Amino acid sequence: KNQVEQSPQSLIILEGKNCTLQCNYTVSPFSNLRWYKQDTGRGPVSLTIMTFSENTKSNGRYTATLDADTKQSSLHITASQLSDSASYICVVSAASNTGKLIFGQGTTLQVKP
Amino acid sequence: DAGITQSPRYKITETGRQVTLMCHQTWSHSYMFWYRQDLGHGLRLIYYSAAADITDKGEVPDGYVVSRSKTENFPLTLESATRSQTSVYFCASKAGTGGAGYTFGSGTRLTVV
Repeated sequence: KNQVEQSPQSLIILEGKNCTLQCNYTVSPFSNLRWYKQDTGRGPVSLTIMTFSENTKSNGRYTATLDADTKQSSLHITASQLSDSASYICVVSAASNTGKLIFGQGTTLQVKP
Repeated sequence: DAGITQSPRYKITETGRQVTLMCHQTWSHSYMFWYRQDLGHGLRLIYYSAAADITDKGEVPDGYVVSRSKTENFPLTLESATRSQTSVYFCASKAGTGGAGYTFGSGTRLTVV
């Protein structure tokens, strides 16, 4: 069964600190993995997208890694800001014409001053 | 305005009533999708459309109807709303095949009382 599991479910950190969010997946055939940021009351917004051959991709203070062998990904946030408070969703796309997405349940990050 | 827009942003309706959620995109993307997001679940696919007049069921289609008479519009209708359909609904679109390029709308929060 195609699944995406994220950990931790929620996380509280102090402003300026770093954190790492985890994603494990069992999706086959694999097409790509993306991380989305979802602010409260808004739709998900793409942060990074990685294909099978990519190990790392950065977007400002966000760095995503992908290990296709172990089917694991992480999202590292550097020097967190209050505006980073949001849900972060790991999404894996299965290789098909529709590019079907399988969503993790998300990690809720709260950055405190 | 360019992009993908959903309306209404908030809706309260009574059990048994018909309600339609609207989704409009200005890019002429081929693919459009409807998801629902509930606590404890990742986003779940309700219906999708590969082109005008082509629609197909997703993971949780029961109780929903869609149509796609024009490429830019993809309305979602709850024929007889139930409390279990209280959720946040997201529309998304993408240009072509494969997993890249998804863009989400801002969502519609629907409450069925």
